[in-house]
Amino acid sequence: QVQLVQSGAEVKKPGASVKLSCKTSGYTFTNYHIHWVRQAPGQRLEWMGIIKVGAGSTLYAQKFQGSVTMTRDTSTNTVYMELSSLGSEDTAVYYCAREGESTFYFDHWGQGTLVTVSS
Amino acid sequence: QSALTQPASVSGSPGQSITISCTGTSSDVGTYNYVSWYQQYPGKAPKLIIYEVSNRPSGVSNRFSGSKSGYTASLTISGLQAEDEADYYCNSYTSRHTYVFGTGTEVTVL
Repeated sequence: QVQLVQSGAEVKKPGASVKLSCKTSGYTFTNYHIHWVRQAPGQRLEWMGIIKVGAGSTLYAQKFQGSVTMTRDTSTNTVYMELSSLGSEDTAVYYCAREGESTFYFDHWGQGTLVTVSS
Repeated sequence: QSALTQPASVSGSPGQSITISCTGTSSDVGTYNYVSWYQQYPGKAPKLIIYEVSNRPSGVSNRFSGSKSGYTASLTISGLQAEDEADYYCNSYTSRHTYVFGTGTEVTVL
């Protein structure tokens, strides 16, 4: 069955970076895209960007351009999301989600990773 | 990209029908039929319940239905049940090849 398993919770200081992982299984890794979505406490879902796993190409929401980097490792079927220059406003649960190629919706989600930014 | 606009909360009694609206612009909902809806319970990951405006994934109750008119998409839950109490988010593809979520709606079953 399709699974997206994310790395564990992180606590970071302001100004630091964090790199999260999303390990996938149960499907052909390169046939699907992976998105990252975050949710601050009590807030709405916020789309961060997409990595087209087959090509390795990325597209980020304007808000995150310059601070986010999404990469993938086809040998381990894992996608990574690195966020730099963290501030308290980056405290959130970060989700990875799968999209079938050009299907424009997210059919499977990871369990989420809580990132807490605090001095 | 501003969030799509949803009502903050909607409530209904068991057995009733409720509708959640999702209003966008000509850059997203108004142009593309790539509107999807997600159900989220507290502390859990979202779950896809509608894609491409009105299609239900396998396993999703037929009590959930979607539609679109102009710049507004809608999710209707018929025969409301206690288990439907959750947060609901719409999402749309945009003209910048990005995606945007709605502001979210909390559904309460009275």
